[in-house]
Amino acid sequence: NAGVMQNPRHLVRRRGQEARLRCSPMKGHSHVYWYRQLPEEGLKFMVYLQKENIIDESGMPKERFSAEFPKEGPSILRIQQVVRGDSAAYFCASSPLQAVAYEQYFGPGTRLTVT
Amino acid sequence: AQKITQTQPGMFVQEKEAVTLDCTYDTSDPSYGLFWYKQPSSGEMIFLIYQGSYDQQNATEGRYSLNFQKARKSANLVISASQLGDSAMYFCAMREGSNFGNEKLTFGTGTRLTIIP
Repeated sequence: NAGVMQNPRHLVRRRGQEARLRCSPMKGHSHVYWYRQLPEEGLKFMVYLQKENIIDESGMPKERFSAEFPKEGPSILRIQQVVRGDSAAYFCASSPLQAVAYEQYFGPGTRLTVT
Repeated sequence: AQKITQTQPGMFVQEKEAVTLDCTYDTSDPSYGLFWYKQPSSGEMIFLIYQGSYDQQNATEGRYSLNFQKARKSANLVISASQLGDSAMYFCAMREGSNFGNEKLTFGTGTRLTIIP
């Protein structure tokens, strides 16, 4: 059973470009979470999605950031017009519909560098 | 107020010694879960151990144990017989609510553990 997959693992973008980060949850998992880790900091929650629904986006910046989890395909975190402050590691985690309390598995992360 | 507080930014421990990483938390929800994750230099987040708020006994997983003191809102991670491979960042995290598994995690700022040979 493959784990949570994220791609790309590393992404370099120039200021003003768009960044698209992909997350494929574990097989059978219908819940996806995105977290951001700034350098030398802990992970901060961004958004929680189920298939075709955003459940909690309280951690998402109001502008330039969006997320989706379509019926088919991976979850996408999209950052428009990136700025240097967006440079961070972005982690995706997934859990099943009927989860045991600790079942939130993390992907390897995408390291975004904005030049 | 910080929901998860890790007061030790860095620790140096001699190999084979036991080490305790501190974590205190703040919540008014009676149902919550506490997690510890390890992040080695390669960057991935590795789940170590979980403690539920209603669990009567402290969680243990191999060399890891969680010293859960509910009244003090403390959830310290204890690593016995430390090894060089334990050198990493360690994060304490909390899930609040009773929708098991399906709530966001709140993380502390982490402790960088270095094991000295």
